[in-house]
Amino acid sequence: EDQVTQSPEALRLQEGESSSLNCSYTVSGLRGLFWYRQDPGKGPEFLFTLYSAGEEKEKERLKATLTKKESFLHITAPKPEDSATYLCAVQARKYGNKLVFGAGTILRVKS
Amino acid sequence: SQTIHQWPATLVQPVGSPLSLECTVEGTSNPNLYWYRQAAGRGLQLLFYSVGIGQISSEVPQNLSASRPQDRQFILSSKKLLLSDSGFYLCAHYHTGELFFGEGSRLTVL
Repeated sequence: EDQVTQSPEALRLQEGESSSLNCSYTVSGLRGLFWYRQDPGKGPEFLFTLYSAGEEKEKERLKATLTKKESFLHITAPKPEDSATYLCAVQARKYGNKLVFGAGTILRVKS
Repeated sequence: SQTIHQWPATLVQPVGSPLSLECTVEGTSNPNLYWYRQAAGRGLQLLFYSVGIGQISSEVPQNLSASRPQDRQFILSSKKLLLSDSGFYLCAHYHTGELFFGEGSRLTVL
C-alpha cells in the first residue's frame, strides 16, 4: 500500500534553531513530491515540487531535498512566523494528477 | 490568476440534516477539481475529483456525494449528516503541476 509518513508529528524550536522535517514515502512511479504550508483554519499554501532524486529547491529560510525514499524540509534560523503545519504529498503515475498527503508536521517557533 | 472560493466558511449542523458546500473557481477553464477532507490531526483525504461537467469520481465510500453542474462549480452534498462527517473540507484545482486550495469550509456536526 502506498504511504506517506511525516515525522516528527510536532516540533518546537527556538527562534534561530535550525532543524529538518522528514517525509518518507513508499510509492512506485513517483511523478512529484510536494510541500505545503498550512496556517490554522486556512487552506494549504504551495511551497515546492520536487521531481527527481537529488533535486533541491529553496525559498527564503526553507530548503527541500529529495531522495528515492524520502524528502527533507530544512528550516534555517527559523522565525516565529514560520510556525505552521507543513504537509508533504506525493503524486504517482498510476494516480494521474491526484496527490496523496501525509499527516503533517506541526512546527512551533518560539521567540 | 486563479482563485478558489468556498462557502460557507463555517457550518454547524445537527445529525441527520442535509449538507451543501460550494466551490467555484475563477481565472481558468475546464479545471480538474478535487474535494479533500482534513480531520483533526490527520492528513488530507481525497473524497472526490472531477475532470469535467457531470464527471465525478469517488475515492472512498461514504455518506457524501459530489456534483459538477458547471465548468467551474463543484458541490459537495449529503442527504443526512453523520457525526463522523465533521471536519475541514477543502476544494482544490490542479493547474500546471500544482494543486491550489481554497480557504476551506469547517463543518461541525452535533
